Amino acid sequence: EAAVTQSPRNKVAVTGGKVTLSCNQTNNHNNMYWYRQDTGHGLRLIHYSYGAGSTEKGDIPDGYKASRPSQENFSLILELATPSQTSVYFCASGDESYEQYFGPGTRLTVL
Amino acid sequence: GDKVKQSPSALSLQEGTNSALRCNFSIAATTVQWFLQNPRGSLMNLFYLVPGTKENGRLKSAFDSKESYSTLHIRDAQLEDSGTYFCAAEATNTGKLTFGDGTVLTVKP
Repeated sequence: EAAVTQSPRNKVAVTGGKVTLSCNQTNNHNNMYWYRQDTGHGLRLIHYSYGAGSTEKGDIPDGYKASRPSQENFSLILELATPSQTSVYFCASGDESYEQYFGPGTRLTVL
Repeated sequence: GDKVKQSPSALSLQEGTNSALRCNFSIAATTVQWFLQNPRGSLMNLFYLVPGTKENGRLKSAFDSKESYSTLHIRDAQLEDSGTYFCAAEATNTGKLTFGDGTVLTVKP
């Protein structure tokens, strides 16, 4: 029943490898977001989207790409993963009021 | 973060007592959201606020856009209230949330 789901929930990657994090929402929301959370801190916005086919840069987009192929799906792509990208990644969906609802998070470790 | 400052950074309460958390903004916030992150890491929506106040059970929140702050009051704290509370400001109808660094709340029996 979870409205925002993420996969994988845990991922270990090697430096220089490609990583794709996936997010699916059943809220029928136009807006979707990717954040990262580092230990002891709040979430920071990486990329977001206002609808299928659109992506926008957030506050910390360097090293990340995003793809929104449909209303339901929003992916975050790390073309060349680095250890500094080790973090917990959260996806969210939001309606026209901009209230956001979060997925369970993906823990990424880059070795 | 610098744009959204939460206080205190950590708080310990006895079960049954009351407390208040605060968020100060250095950005022009249109709306504010409060979340509780549980020990497993999941983010639970507590409040979504335009300027004004809302109440839900033992929780009450206020947002003053002119003075650039928001508060979250917890009444009769329970053990299950433990976790990290985050406020996040949405700046001027962009849909982009800026988070504070959180308040870690521990409720003790």
